[in-house]
Amino acid sequence: QLQESGPGLVKPSETLSLSCTVSGASIKSYYWSWIRQAPGKGLEWIAYIYYDGITNYSPSLKSRVTISVDTSKNQVFLNLSSVTAADTAVYYCARRREYCAGGSCFLSFDPWGQGTLVTVSS
Amino acid sequence: EIVLTQSPGTLSLSPGERATLSCRASQGVKSAYLAWYQQKPGQAPRLLIYGASRRATGIPDRFSGSGSGTDFTLSISALEPEDFAVYYCQQYGTSFTFGPGTKVDIK
Repeated sequence: QLQESGPGLVKPSETLSLSCTVSGASIKSYYWSWIRQAPGKGLEWIAYIYYDGITNYSPSLKSRVTISVDTSKNQVFLNLSSVTAADTAVYYCARRREYCAGGSCFLSFDPWGQGTLVTVSS
Repeated sequence: EIVLTQSPGTLSLSPGERATLSCRASQGVKSAYLAWYQQKPGQAPRLLIYGASRRATGIPDRFSGSGSGTDFTLSISALEPEDFAVYYCQQYGTSFTFGPGTKVDIK
């Protein structure tokens, strides 16, 4: 189970900071990701991380995003700097699911948290 | 970055009808890295299909996926009332991308 938390309102030019608490699984066992969805729009992948520091970022957001984990708290974090109104979205935490069978490994996102709405406004 | 295009944008069908949703990639996608999700209003997306054709746990067999290379399809054999939703495809190349979605609504 995944639960996102953080401020619902962030001012333009400031840094958006969110946390995702993972329960029912060790954070060391999987990769974890952040995905967002602007109001009425589609899904946008932001980044993923493994507990040992392996990360991958969306090319379009890479310069502003930092993803991190705290293994002692079983939490994943997202920092997005210099936010604008275009960063207003529901932010989801999701497990990057890698399932291997028959010589192939399959990638998807499952499960997802319920999401948290972040509005960027002064 | 691989761009995914989904068509149609909206599909208006009646319960019991068959739905066929298309996902086209700007370059070849490894089938193992192609997935489909269902999203209902106010809810997080739910994994339906992974590896282009493998149903996720608990997904009814009326949902099926097919395709390879740049062309993938999600089919719903006979729409149930709970299937009216938005469907997204997703791929992984060097980064993840999602398609813009297909809304399946009631005719």
